[in-house]
Amino acid sequence: DAGVTQSPTHLIKTRGQHVTLRCSPISGHKSVSWYQQVLGQGPQFIFQYYEKEERGRGNFPDRFSARQFPNYSSELNVNALLLGDSALYLCASSLYETGLQETQYFGPGTRLLVL
Amino acid sequence: KQEVTQIPAALSVPEGENLVLNCSFTDSAIYNLQWFRQDPGKGLTSLLLIQSSQREQTSGRLNASLDKSSGRSTLYIAASQPGDSATYLCAVLRPINDYKLSFGAGTTVTVRA
Repeated sequence: DAGVTQSPTHLIKTRGQHVTLRCSPISGHKSVSWYQQVLGQGPQFIFQYYEKEERGRGNFPDRFSARQFPNYSSELNVNALLLGDSALYLCASSLYETGLQETQYFGPGTRLLVL
Repeated sequence: KQEVTQIPAALSVPEGENLVLNCSFTDSAIYNLQWFRQDPGKGLTSLLLIQSSQREQTSGRLNASLDKSSGRSTLYIAASQPGDSATYLCAVLRPINDYKLSFGAGTTVTVRA
């Protein structure tokens, strides 16, 4: 089975632009979470979706938004990009709502560079 | 707010030596703790998951212990190899209406051949 996939792998944008990142969870997984990892730091939680509903939101500005589709894939949108948005964006999927009973599986990430 | 700390930030050992990586967390009311491996510029690979009711988990050369009352976990890697060189991250999950993993900043390990 394929693991979590993310696209694109790398992206370069300029300040003020908009970006859309995509994630496909492992087949059968209904929960998708997004994390931002700035160089040298651990990932920071952005959003979690389960069955197309937002279940959790981290401490990120409203420029960040996300959604989950009927096939459980997900998009992360960031508007009005800032230099500080440059990071590795990670998507994780799990079978159940909270991942309490099992591992969360991470994708390879999308590397975003804002110039 | 859950804070997760990993010490040391970096570690360099000769091949064959055992590795000991530490993780501490401030809120002992966790549901589980996971250890991940991250290669440079790559995503996270889950190594071990320990439920709060467990004391340790083992997989091959890896062993992770959990002391919830003291807010500590330790990852042991036996007989290190150059292929073990990577950043190791620990993350905790709190119960009830808290769906996020809280990560430490990681320990970067270099195993010298």
